[in-house]
Amino acid sequence: GDSVTQMEGPVTLSEEAFLTINCTYTATGYPSLFWYVQYPGEGLQLLLKATKADDKGSNKGFEATYRKETTSFHLEKGSVQVSDSAVYFCALITGANNLFFGTGTRLTVIP
Amino acid sequence: NAGVTQTPKFQVLKTGQSMTLQCAQDMNHNSMYWYRQDPGMGLRLIYYSASEGTTDKGEVPNGYNVSRLNKREFSLRLESAAPSQTSVYFCASQGLADTQYFGPGTRLTVL
Repeated sequence: GDSVTQMEGPVTLSEEAFLTINCTYTATGYPSLFWYVQYPGEGLQLLLKATKADDKGSNKGFEATYRKETTSFHLEKGSVQVSDSAVYFCALITGANNLFFGTGTRLTVIP
Repeated sequence: NAGVTQTPKFQVLKTGQSMTLQCAQDMNHNSMYWYRQDPGMGLRLIYYSASEGTTDKGEVPNGYNVSRLNKREFSLRLESAAPSQTSVYFCASQGLADTQYFGPGTRLTVL
């Protein structure tokens, strides 16, 4: 069945470090891929998305490229800030209501 | 424009008690969802409603019932709460390009 596997955390980085959070997926169709972010005490909010192979989603300095050949959608940011501390979820949707989330990766950025 | 709202924010129940979690959205979305979030397990879909008047089971529906009261409101009911239902519950609605919009969550503890 369809699924998402993402890098387990927690991840702790110093401010201005480079961030990568790995995400791979299994899907029978042609999914759309998402990264959601959850700040402490809040619900999830969309960070970025990509709807087809080779698309790059970007927002707030974060980027992820939809790689069909490696079934991956890794999240990257060149220089993290303390305000980026949150839990990040990779997700895919393959059709009406077939939405799957990864288990989440907690990122802590220290000054 | 409040987005997705949920009540209550926190609740403590005793085993066997019942309660209803309320959710409303003001974005005129057709599809609405209930998830639970447990440590290390990401989000799991409990029930969803593709449109007013329809509901369907998700991955973990046992012990829950839902009502799609109208296009705005989608409630989740626990008829006889169990400690295994201690979790954080999120309601979401789905807009354009399959993007989901989440409420702030309800933290439920069942003793």
